[in-house]
Amino acid sequence: DTGVSQDPRHKITKRGQNVTFRCDPISEHNRLYWYRQTLGQGPEFLTYFQNEAQLEKSRLLSDRFSAERPKGSFSTLEIQRTEQGDSAMYLCASSADRGYEQYFGPGTRLTVT
Amino acid sequence: QKEVEQNSGPLSVPEGAIASLNCTYSDRVSQSFFWYRQYSGKSPELIMSIYSNGDKEDGRFTAQLNKASQYVSLLIRDSQPSDSATYLCAVIVLYGGSQGNLIFGKGTKLSVKP
Repeated sequence: DTGVSQDPRHKITKRGQNVTFRCDPISEHNRLYWYRQTLGQGPEFLTYFQNEAQLEKSRLLSDRFSAERPKGSFSTLEIQRTEQGDSAMYLCASSADRGYEQYFGPGTRLTVT
Repeated sequence: QKEVEQNSGPLSVPEGAIASLNCTYSDRVSQSFFWYRQYSGKSPELIMSIYSNGDKEDGRFTAQLNKASQYVSLLIRDSQPSDSATYLCAVIVLYGGSQGNLIFGKGTKLSVKP
């Protein structure tokens, strides 16, 4: 049973460019979460999917951010017109319908120059 | 607004000692609590979950929950240098009784000295 995977692991981009991250949850996990973590802080919630439905979005998720989970399996997080303040670790987690435990992927570290 | 508070540390303990990590939360409705370990540059790793008042033990780790005091703690017995990491306390937010996202504290940095 493989864990949560994320791609890419590192991304360096110039301000104003668009970036897209991918998350593959643990197989059979219906729930998928995106978080963002900056240095010295705990992860902050961005958005949540149950199967293909996006059920919750944080106010941190500005109009430049969009997330999808089209077939209820993998998910993508896109950031348009990146800003230096978007530099962070973007974490994906998944959980099963039964149980509240969330398991994190290795994260994608974004650096906006 | 739900909040989770942790001492940022660093907490330094000698090898073999008991490390005690504490966490308080603001929401009396919160029911499910988690401890994650995060090594520098890595993602959080779930080490303990606790849902009921009292103690829950798993190997060298013991989680303690007191809902009346809105307090959850993690004890690490026989601390090892490999336990040196940041420990994140998290509380789950429920949507209509169903599971939702986690709210994290800022984490406590633990250093175990050989």
